[in-house]
This record gives sequence, C-alpha cells and structure tokens, in this order.
Amino acid sequence: QVQLQESGPGLVKPSETLSLTCTVSGDSISRGYYWGWIRQPPGKGLEWIGSMYHSGSTYYNPSLKSRVSMSIDTSKNQFSLKLSSVTAADTAVFYCARVGVVSRYMDVWGKGTTVTVSS
Amino acid sequence: EIVLTQSPATLSLPPGERATLSCRASQSVSSYLAWYQQKPGQAPRLLIYDASDRATGIPARFSGSGSGTDFTLTISSLEPEDFAVYYCHHGNNWRNTFGQGTKLEIK
Repeated sequence: QVQLQESGPGLVKPSETLSLTCTVSGDSISRGYYWGWIRQPPGKGLEWIGSMYHSGSTYYNPSLKSRVSMSIDTSKNQFSLKLSSVTAADTAVFYCARVGVVSRYMDVWGKGTTVTVSS
Repeated sequence: EIVLTQSPATLSLPPGERATLSCRASQSVSSYLAWYQQKPGQAPRLLIYDASDRATGIPARFSGSGSGTDFTLTISSLEPEDFAVYYCHHGNNWRNTFGQGTKLEIK
C-alpha cells in the first residue's frame, strides 16, 4: 500500500524559502508515476503547484513557476518542493500526491502539512 | 488556460436522495476529467478518473459521465459519509486546473 508523508517547517518568515519533503513508502519513486505538490489556502480550493518524474522532468504551475523548484532523491524515495520569496498569501495546507502518467489524476495523497507564513 | 466551473456551489439534500454535481470546462478536455471528495481536515480522495472510471475501493453508488466540456458526478443514494466537498480536476498536458468545489450538505 503506497503512502506519502509530507514534512517540513510549519512556520516560514516572509521573503524566505519554504521547503517541504515528501517521503514515499510502499512503492518505488522510480516505478513510473509522476509525483506532485498541491496546496490549499485556508477555506479555499485546491491549487496545483507542480509535478515531476523520477528522471528529473518538471512541470510547474505558470503562476508560480518563477518561485518554484522541485527535486527528487531516488535513493531516499523522496521528492521535495522549494517555494521562494513567500508571502502571507502562500499560507496553506500543502499536499504531496502520486500522479497518473496519462490522465494526470492524483490517486494517492499525503495527509497534508500546514505551512504558515508569518514574521 | 482551461477553467473548470462547478455547479451548484452548495447542494443540500437528505440521506437517501440522488445527488447530481456538474463540472463544465471552458474548452474541450476530452475525457481527461477526475473527481475528488474532500472531508474537513482530510486530504482529497480520488473518486472518478477519465470521466467515468471509479477509483479503487470507491462504492458503486458513485458514477461519472460526460466528455468534451460537460461532466456529471452522480451519487445514486446519499449515505451520511458522502456529505463533503467535491472537486473536479483536469490535468492532461500539464494544464492542471481544479474546479472551485461543490459543497454537499445534509438537508
């Protein structure tokens, strides 16, 4: 059974870089899925941040592209997110998810981690 | 940019009733549409993918239909655990977008 778990600081200061890691268990991150990040501001809907393949190919939301970076560590079965120059508007629950190869649906989700941007 | 518009924003129904949720795309997405259920404090759960295929473990009372620009999620007979927020999603060609959600509440 595949499980995903987000980890990282729950509080980030404005203008700094938010860094999160997703640890995948029960499956190899190199097996053939994409891996993605989605966020949800308090009381609002879902926003796709980006996705990547184990080969290193990355795909980012155009609205966040200038501030987003994703990476993957196959030896640790983890993938990571960096979001730079954060503001209060970046406060959200961040989810990592497994992404289907063709239709790009997210079939396995982590439980989510709350990140607050505040000084 | 593809925009997904869900209706209604809120749907109030009693248990046992049939629920019909709509998702309309601003341009054709073929059959590349998924539906998710989200309960308070929980991550979204995949219900339907490719417009009409049920995800693993999803009860048969959930069904999806549609293609092109108009899609429907139907819950044939509402159970107490079905009251939640539902999102549609399109992600083909990395033009990921979610609808704004429909809140299904108990009447």
